[in-house]
Amino acid sequence: SQQGEEDPQALSIQEGENATMNCSYKTSINNLQWYRQNSGRGLVHLILIRSNEREKHSGRLRVTLDTSKKSSSLLITASRAADTASYFCATDLSSSNTGKLIFGQGTTLQVKP
Amino acid sequence: GAVVSQHPSRVICKSGTSVKIECRSLDFQATTMFWYRQFPKQSLMLMATSNEGSKATYEQGVEKDKFLINHASLTLSTLTVTSAHPEDSSFYICSATTGDQTEAFFGQGTRLTVV
Repeated sequence: SQQGEEDPQALSIQEGENATMNCSYKTSINNLQWYRQNSGRGLVHLILIRSNEREKHSGRLRVTLDTSKKSSSLLITASRAADTASYFCATDLSSSNTGKLIFGQGTTLQVKP
Repeated sequence: GAVVSQHPSRVICKSGTSVKIECRSLDFQATTMFWYRQFPKQSLMLMATSNEGSKATYEQGVEKDKFLINHASLTLSTLTVTSAHPEDSSFYICSATTGDQTEAFFGQGTRLTVV
């Protein structure tokens, strides 16, 4: 079964607004990653946060991790129409960073121009 | 970042035939590659872990005789869908890692349609 659950499943916002997506997972993790997928395409790696980190930034992206609640959030600030895509969190369960990822259900984001 | 190339990007085949999908790491040696399957509007499901020079490790519920995985070199893993049926139609994505870094690099995916 999938490790993570994400909410919301779908999100529609206006350009310029912020978008927040949440991810919950069930077991202990080594790190948590966020990916973006444009329709019918491969995955683009956005950001990785390790289990001993609480917050990380990359451009307009901000990721938080709360290991006590087994949850993470991805915030996209000042959204653009080009941000329209599906966003997935993924957890690497192994302590040796094998790259074996378990994906959440994903959030489909639509940014209206 | 490192580049992983997946080929073909789209394939249509007849029921009963076999289809081979290639996953290549172009600028690094991938000791481990992973194969995922994605149904429309759903998430990625890990199918198997492919290690160079050894047998693949399949996830529970994945038929190893149906989804043949070969990782013959450090830059190439192949997934062969044997005796394909319409229910095998899906989006298949590979990823590759050197094993000593935390980021897995994904291919562009292959859209398989079995008619």
